[in-house]
Amino acid sequence: AQTVTQSQPEMSVQEAETVTLSCTYDTSESDYYLFWYKQPPSRQMILVIRQEAYKQQNATENRFSVNFQKAAKSFSLKISDSQLGDAAMYFCAYSRWAGNNRKLIWGLGTSLAVNP
Amino acid sequence: GAGVSQSPSNKVTEKGKDVELRCDPISGHTALYWYRQSLGQGLEFLIYFQGNSAPDKSGLPSDRFSAERTGGSVSTLTIQRTQQEDSAVYLCASSYRAGRGLRMYNEQFFGPGTRLTVL
Repeated sequence: AQTVTQSQPEMSVQEAETVTLSCTYDTSESDYYLFWYKQPPSRQMILVIRQEAYKQQNATENRFSVNFQKAAKSFSLKISDSQLGDAAMYFCAYSRWAGNNRKLIWGLGTSLAVNP
Repeated sequence: GAGVSQSPSNKVTEKGKDVELRCDPISGHTALYWYRQSLGQGLEFLIYFQGNSAPDKSGLPSDRFSAERTGGSVSTLTIQRTQQEDSAVYLCASSYRAGRGLRMYNEQFFGPGTRLTVL
C-alpha cells in the first residue's frame, strides 16, 4: 500500500534562514507525481511545488525547492530565505493510480513556525 | 479567475440534525474531491467525482454520508443524523487532467473549507 510519512510534526525557523521539511513515501509505481501543499491558518490549501518522478531534475519555485531521491523514496522541501508568511502546515502528497484517475495520498503534515 | 468556493464557511449544528455542505468547483474542472480534515490531522479522502458520477466513494465513513454532483459542476455533501465525531473541516477540491497516459496527473485546487461543529 502506498503511504506518505512526514516525520516532523513541528518545525521552526528564523526569518531569512533556510529550513528543510522531510517526506518519505512508499510505492511500487515507476511513474508518479509528488506534491507539497501549504495550508496557512486561513485553511486554504495551496500548491507549493510539484515533482514528476520521471524527471531527475529537482523542481524549484522561487524560494522553494525539493530534494527528490527516487531510489530512497524521499521528497524533502527546502524553503530558503524564510518569511513570516511561510508559517503554515505543509503537507506532502503522492499521486497514485486508482482506476482511471490519480488519487492523492497525504502525509499528516508538518507545522512550520517562522520566528522574527 | 474564480477559485473553488465552499459554503457555508462555518456550520454549527446539534447532534442528530442533517447538514448540507456545498462546493462550487472551478469552471471546466471535470473532477471534484471531498476531504475531511480533523483537528491537527491530515486530509482524509471521502469521495471523488468525474463529471456527475462518483467512481470512488471508498472514503465515505458511513451510510450517513452521501454526496452528489449535478451538471458536472456544483456538489453537495450531506451528512445525516450528525454525530460529534463528524466535527471537522470539510475541504473540496477540483482538478483538471494534465499530461498523457501514465504521466497524467491531476493538480487539485482547493476551496477554503467548511468548518462543521456538532454540539
